[in-house]
Amino acid sequence: AQTVTQSQPEMSVQEAETVTLSCTYDTSESNYYLFWYKQPPSRQMILVIRQEAYKQQNATENRFSVNFQKAAKSFSLKISDSQLGDTAMYFCAFMKLPGYHGNQFYFGTGTSLTVIP
Amino acid sequence: DAGVTQSPTHLIKTRGQQVTLRCSPKSGHDTVSWYQQALGQGPQFIFQYYEEEERQRGNFPDRFSGHQFPNYSSELNVNALLLGDSALYLCASSPQVGDSYEQYFGPGTRLTVT
Repeated sequence: AQTVTQSQPEMSVQEAETVTLSCTYDTSESNYYLFWYKQPPSRQMILVIRQEAYKQQNATENRFSVNFQKAAKSFSLKISDSQLGDTAMYFCAFMKLPGYHGNQFYFGTGTSLTVIP
Repeated sequence: DAGVTQSPTHLIKTRGQQVTLRCSPKSGHDTVSWYQQALGQGPQFIFQYYEEEERQRGNFPDRFSGHQFPNYSSELNVNALLLGDSALYLCASSPQVGDSYEQYFGPGTRLTVT
């Protein structure tokens, strides 16, 4: 079974500063995908960034980047130049390689991030 | 291009009743997944539908059932509602082929069981 752990229930950061959200996971799979999703108070989950486990290079999307440590099974999210709109719940998610039997996501419990003006 | 839509937005039911939630996938997507998100928790996978068949199922009792229609839209049915079924129910769609494997989520249906 796959498990995803987010050990920081709540975090806060000053506007324009940098913050890092932690995520660890447990799996026996060698190939998989990892995701960070953002859920603002409006509830709609939005993809922030995606990482393929077979790629050693860390993914980057504008102000968002990840530190993927496959051996340590760690997948942290760094948000640079934090903006008020970054205030949301952030979920780390794991997915095995999709097959005939589907592509189920396993989510962590989330980190509530507040950006302080 | 409409994203994933869900109806209704909110729903209040009494314990023991039955409920049906609906989901229309993003245009071009043929796979629909349902998740239950209890307050303060991450989403938990219920099941996934593709080609009108249940492809994969999470650890949920048989009271939770679903259906996918030829136009790829989907329904989630919950029978004999319990207080513990109160949650946000999220629908996500994805294409069966492609390399992103991203799931696009709808805004959810907030179910309250009293």
